[in-house]
Amino acid sequence: TQLLEQSPQFLSIQEGENLTVYCNSSSVFSSLQWYRQEPGEGPVLLVTVVTGGEVKKLKRLTFQFGDARKDSSLHITAAQPGDTGLYLCAGAPGSGGSNYKLTFGKGTLLTVNP
Amino acid sequence: DSGVTQTPKHLITATGQRVTLRCSPRSGDLSVYWYQQSLDQGLQFLIQYYNGEERAKGNILERFSAQQFPDLHSELNLSSLELGDSALYFCASSVAPAGGDTKTQYFGPGTRLLVL
Repeated sequence: TQLLEQSPQFLSIQEGENLTVYCNSSSVFSSLQWYRQEPGEGPVLLVTVVTGGEVKKLKRLTFQFGDARKDSSLHITAAQPGDTGLYLCAGAPGSGGSNYKLTFGKGTLLTVNP
Repeated sequence: DSGVTQTPKHLITATGQRVTLRCSPRSGDLSVYWYQQSLDQGLQFLIQYYNGEERAKGNILERFSAQQFPDLHSELNLSSLELGDSALYFCASSVAPAGGDTKTQYFGPGTRLLVL
């Protein structure tokens, strides 16, 4: 069974601070996705990383896939209250096909205080 | 708005009862996935259907079943409900028409189930 461990579980910071959230596994994934979920809503895909060592930027968010494709990190610069939410990482096994099971971490609940 | 719709949004029922959750995927998506989200277990994959056929099973209890209909909407049936079944149930869809990103899953807003 593939497991994804996210840390920290909870994070409360002040507006303007930087933060990093980690997603680790002993398994190799073909790709890894990051989602953000707000209360009462479903997860929304932020980014997919596919290549080991890949770095993707989405405005103030920087996502990195580990060289061995077992871990990933999400770095937020100058956090804003609008960044508040549950951040989930999800790993995908294999590639292609119609069978595409995602394994999710339990998430990091981020609160950015104004 | 992801384009995935789920009904009902909230459901309150009693132990031992049976409920049906409904999901309509994004237009053109052939795959539907069901997930259960609870505070202690996080988001757990239950089952996947592709174009009407079951394709993958996760941590789905025998009391739970699902199906995907010819119009591609899906239903998740939960029976003999227990207190521990209280959770958020999400449906997601993927597999866009040719040329799209077939791996991205788009999640619906979820159904919050409370078993009393």
